[in-house]
Amino acid sequence: DTGVSQDPRHKITKRGQNVTFRCDPISEHNRLYWYRQTLGQGPEFLTYFQNEAQLEKSRLLSDRFSAERPKGSFSTLEIQRTEQGDSAMYLCASSSTTGAGSRPLHFGNGTRLTVT
Amino acid sequence: DAKTTQPNSMESNEEEPVHLPCNHSTISGTDYIHWYRQLPSQGPEYVIHGLTSNVNNRMASLAIAEDRKSSTLILHRATLRDAAVYYCILRPFGGYQKVTFGTGTKLQVIP
Repeated sequence: DTGVSQDPRHKITKRGQNVTFRCDPISEHNRLYWYRQTLGQGPEFLTYFQNEAQLEKSRLLSDRFSAERPKGSFSTLEIQRTEQGDSAMYLCASSSTTGAGSRPLHFGNGTRLTVT
Repeated sequence: DAKTTQPNSMESNEEEPVHLPCNHSTISGTDYIHWYRQLPSQGPEYVIHGLTSNVNNRMASLAIAEDRKSSTLILHRATLRDAAVYYCILRPFGGYQKVTFGTGTKLQVIP
């Protein structure tokens, strides 16, 4: 179990630029989640995948946000035309399907995005 | 999605037991109760979970009320490394629905 890894750990970008983050889940986990967290708040759900299928998206995920999980392995989260309000920590988590509700979510250490 | 309510902050003296409460009055019969903790600049870390019975692991104990509308995470001897934000969340049996985090309880451990 090598854990969930996210890349990059930090990203500073100028307003209007596009950014892409990557998440590598634990290899046998077929569920993958994206969350966003701002200072002093708990993680907010953005979207989740089962294998390559994106099954649910939050209303927080505007049309500037897109997530993919090709081949059901790693996932990418892209933000187009970034805005200062997008500055946050973006967290990825994965879990197993077997006994799903009883399985822990395994989180990565996040990508901290700063939009200047 | 079911919600949980926790106190914003709590304090504990080092080496004393800590009881962190969580209310989840709208819990459904098949929701699992999970606890996570988050250190600064890290992602949340799984602590423990349960369905109906009390649970123990190497990190903590989880006490679940008989009506399941509340639960308590118990750290038996707080250490400085336990200072973190603790989140109580509900995961449906199927696990396929989104999981909602509240603002959690920030635990301060006093040396």
